[in-house]
Amino acid sequence: DVVMTQSPLSLPVTLGQPASISCRSSQGLVYSDGYTLLNWFQQRPGQSPRRLLYKVSHRDSGVPDRFSGSGSGTEFTLKISRVEAEDVGVYYCMQGTHWPPTFGQGTKVEIK
Amino acid sequence: EEQLVESGGDLVQPGGSLRLSCAASGFTFSDHSLNWVRLSPGRGLEWVSFIDSIDNIVNYAASVRGRFTISRDNAKNSVFLQMDRLRADDTAIYYCATWVEGGFGLWGQGTLVTVSS
Repeated sequence: DVVMTQSPLSLPVTLGQPASISCRSSQGLVYSDGYTLLNWFQQRPGQSPRRLLYKVSHRDSGVPDRFSGSGSGTEFTLKISRVEAEDVGVYYCMQGTHWPPTFGQGTKVEIK
Repeated sequence: EEQLVESGGDLVQPGGSLRLSCAASGFTFSDHSLNWVRLSPGRGLEWVSFIDSIDNIVNYAASVRGRFTISRDNAKNSVFLQMDRLRADDTAIYYCATWVEGGFGLWGQGTLVTVSS
């Protein structure tokens, strides 16, 4: 199985400041159609996971544009341009290129 | 509004069985592949099972293969997970989720399964 490794696992952030989470995969994630199937999810306290980004950088409907994704090959990054209080929660990367789909360990984002 | 609603979670003894259900609304259910994904403190998020939209092709994580069975009823807009020979490490919140654009696009609210004597 493809191993997804996130860092850091805990991220204290200041409101209004940027934040960044890294995700590394044990194999390249380019699918047969040429797309890279790397997703990012947010899980707020007490809620189910919600997808923020798919195919590295495409935002899902309703996701604020302060969330952005980048990367290629085996290295990917989620960036929050200015952290808001509602961004507290756990963030996961996930690959859908190789079966079975696999997730990172999660990064807990909290306000300092 | 697109929605998935899970039910059927409960406390069950090791070796027991449970059947989870997931009801969909607000979208064309028969057009979508469906998955079960679970979240536990020890294992984090883990994909469990998949059923496609056309041929009812199914797939399972190695940890549940031979014990869990996924099925769907397009007439009832529902997907099911039959869980047999349950073990303590199956304890988790179970979510159903659609497969869209190479990942899990829509998630339900989850249902808690606790396996304990």
